[in-house]
Amino acid sequence: EPEVTQTPSHQVTQMGQEVILRCVPISNHLYFYWYRQILGQKVEFLVSFYNNEISEKSEIFDDQFSVERPDGSNFTLKIRSTKLEDSAMYFCASSEREGPYEQFFGPGTRLTVL
Amino acid sequence: DAKTTQPPSMDCAEGRAANLPCNHSTISGNEYVYWYRQIHSQGPQYIIHGLKNNETNEMASLIITEDRKSSTLILPHATLRDTAVYYCIVRFIQGAQKLVFGQGTRLTINP
Repeated sequence: EPEVTQTPSHQVTQMGQEVILRCVPISNHLYFYWYRQILGQKVEFLVSFYNNEISEKSEIFDDQFSVERPDGSNFTLKIRSTKLEDSAMYFCASSEREGPYEQFFGPGTRLTVL
Repeated sequence: DAKTTQPPSMDCAEGRAANLPCNHSTISGNEYVYWYRQIHSQGPQYIIHGLKNNETNEMASLIITEDRKSSTLILPHATLRDTAVYYCIVRFIQGAQKLVFGQGTRLTINP
């Protein structure tokens, strides 16, 4: 069964450093998303991406964040200068098309900022 | 997106049916009801969704009231592996709409 994969599973970084979280969505999916979950809190939407453009972004997704689909398979989330409060699980998701189609989530990357 | 209300926690005996309620009294006509679950810290897992008719798949059944203001997710024969946080989410059907997660219901299946 096709699945969304994410690498690395755990990333530890120093405050102020740049990190890139990688995702490989399901191959025929066209819509891509990033969510995050701070420990003990709700899953929060960050950004949606379609046709090489951001479709929607939340207030969390400020200038420190960017997304890219550098090739036909990867979807990345970059945090330019990490802060302590960026420590969270980051989940990538994809869906086949818009409308009432389910989003499939990856296993997540645990980001720890020291 | 319409707001949903779920009980914070529920318990169910293994092998019994687990019935998880959700209120979404402000749902509009073009909003679907989705259910996801999250086992420990894993990525959320899609379970089922519906608009106004009852739905069933290999994982669960979704019962939506006629006025669409509430719904119930039914796990017919709960197992220990069904212990998770269950999220009821209302979502517009147009566009690449985000999922808005609440606190969900923490379902514990007891042996």
